[in-house]
Amino acid sequence: GQSLEQPSEVTAVEGAIVQINCTYQTSGFYGLSWYQQHDGGAPTFLSYNALDGLEETGRFSSFLSRSDSYGYLLLQELQMKDSASYFCASKAAGNKLTFGGGTRVLVKP
Amino acid sequence: ETGVTQTPRHLVMGMTNKKSLKCEQHLGHNAMYWYKQSAKKPLELMFVYSLEERVENNSVPSRFSPECPNSSHLFLHLHTLQPEDSALYLCASSQDSGPIYEQYFGPGTRLTVT
Repeated sequence: GQSLEQPSEVTAVEGAIVQINCTYQTSGFYGLSWYQQHDGGAPTFLSYNALDGLEETGRFSSFLSRSDSYGYLLLQELQMKDSASYFCASKAAGNKLTFGGGTRVLVKP
Repeated sequence: ETGVTQTPRHLVMGMTNKKSLKCEQHLGHNAMYWYKQSAKKPLELMFVYSLEERVENNSVPSRFSPECPNSSHLFLHLHTLQPEDSALYLCASSQDSGPIYEQYFGPGTRLTVT
């Protein structure tokens, strides 16, 4: 089976940097994804790491260490619109995604 | 229409009713999925269809019955549901190629079982 752990909630101010950690226990691990979901909205894809290292996409970066079964999502220059839930998800064979419980990020002015 | 669409957006049904949820993807993808999202629980994968064949049934009760008539359409047939089945049901699609694995989600159907 697969399980992923991430903090339930993070609060930060505009302009700050937030790091959301995700640790996973999986069999047949292919890669780690991150999704953003605003209240009442659909999850939207942010990033996917198949290999160790840092992937940067604008203000968001994602990191993976396969040896440590660990990854993180880094949100820089926080904006009010970044208030949302962020989910890590591990990919296994057969296009299976297993999601973590989600981290609710609250950005304050 | 673009992306992944789902109908209805909201559904209230009694435990003895039969209803169906519909999902349509306009992205040319070859895999589709049903997820259940309950309050305070992770998204749970229910079913995976790849090239219109069901490749995953994640221990879902038989009162949920999926159907994939073609690569663009996915249905979830519901019958004799329980109140604990009340949740947001999300459909997603993906393409099985390339180095980036991304699923595109629809807006979901908010289901309430009374």
